[in-house]
Amino acid sequence: SQTIHQWPATLVQPVGSPLSLECTVEGTSNPNLYWYRQAAGRGLQLLFYSVGIGQISSEVPQNLSASRPQDRQFILSSKKLLLSDSGFYLCAWSVKGRYTGELFFGEGSRLTVL
Amino acid sequence: DQQVKQNSPSLSVQEGRISILNCDYTNSMFDYFLWYKKYPAEGPTFLISISSIKDKNEDGRFTVFLNKSAKHLSLHIVPSQPGDSAVYFCAASGGPSGTYKYIFGTGTRLKVLA
Repeated sequence: SQTIHQWPATLVQPVGSPLSLECTVEGTSNPNLYWYRQAAGRGLQLLFYSVGIGQISSEVPQNLSASRPQDRQFILSSKKLLLSDSGFYLCAWSVKGRYTGELFFGEGSRLTVL
Repeated sequence: DQQVKQNSPSLSVQEGRISILNCDYTNSMFDYFLWYKKYPAEGPTFLISISSIKDKNEDGRFTVFLNKSAKHLSLHIVPSQPGDSAVYFCAASGGPSGTYKYIFGTGTRLKVLA
């Protein structure tokens, strides 16, 4: 069966520090991968999605970036965090080549920027 | 530009009664719609979906209705149970070939009163 893991689960970082959140998917190959953010009182905002290794589409201009170094690995990064980067970050995957299917989410990572 | 909207941030319903959650979208290219349930500090879990070729899909206590002409969908939960208390998100996907984005609404917090 397929599973998705993301870490760390919680992170408290000072403003201006770097960020790295990791996500891996097991039990499937060549998935579509996604990063979402849920800010306080807001919905799920799509940040990045990837349909293949090295292929990243950015949805929201900001100081975050994403990379997909391996087929089932998706990384969210920042060189310098802002207060507004605080939120609940969610990695997700879907079956390759389909947009009429479920999106499967990880457990989420809570980021607090102080 | 909020392409998927949930205009009711919260809803309270008595146990055993019907819960109706609403969602509107603006992009006529969307042709697949999903509902997710989310508890605090957890990833969303899939509930039910509907393709644009249908106007109704049922799964146990959950029914989703789609009105394409009005660009409106709704989730009915009958009967509502206290365990249904959570935040519910609707999502939409579809469009030109190669578009694999899932766009989420802002969520509706459902509280089922015992």
